[in-house]
Amino acid sequence: GAVVSQHPSRVICKSGTSVKIECRSLDFQATTMFWYRQFPKQSLMLMATSNEGSKATYEQGVEKDKFLINHASLTLSTLTVTSAHPEDSSFYICSASDPRISQFFGPGTRLTVL
Amino acid sequence: SQQGEEDPQALSIQEGENATMNCSYKTSINNLQWYRQNSGRGLVHLILIRSNEREKHSGRLRVTLDTSKKSSSLLITASRAADTASYFCATDVTGANSKLTFGKGITLSVRP
Repeated sequence: GAVVSQHPSRVICKSGTSVKIECRSLDFQATTMFWYRQFPKQSLMLMATSNEGSKATYEQGVEKDKFLINHASLTLSTLTVTSAHPEDSSFYICSASDPRISQFFGPGTRLTVL
Repeated sequence: SQQGEEDPQALSIQEGENATMNCSYKTSINNLQWYRQNSGRGLVHLILIRSNEREKHSGRLRVTLDTSKKSSSLLITASRAADTASYFCATDVTGANSKLTFGKGITLSVRP
C-alpha cells in the first residue's frame, strides 16, 4: 500500500511554544489530507480536512487559530500547534487520500507538553 | 461526534480461538472500514466493505455488514498473540475517500 510518513514521531515541548508536525505522502499525490487527534485509550477524533491549495475545513470545536494547517503541495501537509499547553498533549495522526485510492494513515506523532 | 460504537470494549481470548467484534453506527454510509492499531502506533487498514456488500473475506478476517441494522462484525479466526491490538470501525458517509468517523475501539488481547 501507499506510504504516509509523519515527522517528528515524538516531540516534547514547554508550555507556550509552537510545534509543527509534518505529514508526507511518499509515493502518491494526496489531494486530501486529514488530521486526527487521539487521547490515551480513546478513539481518533477528526480535527480538520485539508485540500491542497485551499483552506482547511475544521471540525466543530477545533480552534483553527490554535491548530494551523497548511497543505502547500500534493505531498505535504503540516499541522502547527500554536502556544501549546499540557491539555494539547496527545497522539496526532494524519491520513492522506486520492480519489482513486484508499485513505492511508501515518504512524502518528506523540506530543507531550510540559 | 462518533458514528461507530464497537462492542465489546475489551476482549480477552486464548490463542487459536476466534474473536468477534461488533460495530454499530447511526447514519447511512457509503462504506465501513476496520482498522487495527498496536499500542502507540499508527493505524493499519484491514478491510473495507461497501454498503451494497454483505460479507467480505481477507485471510483470517471476515467482515459482515447489515445496513438494515446499521451494524458490522469483524471475525478473526484462529487468533494469534500477534493479533493483540485495538480494533476500530470507521464509517465513510459519502465515499470518494471522504472523512472517516471512528468508533471507540475494542481492545483485543490474545493470550499465548
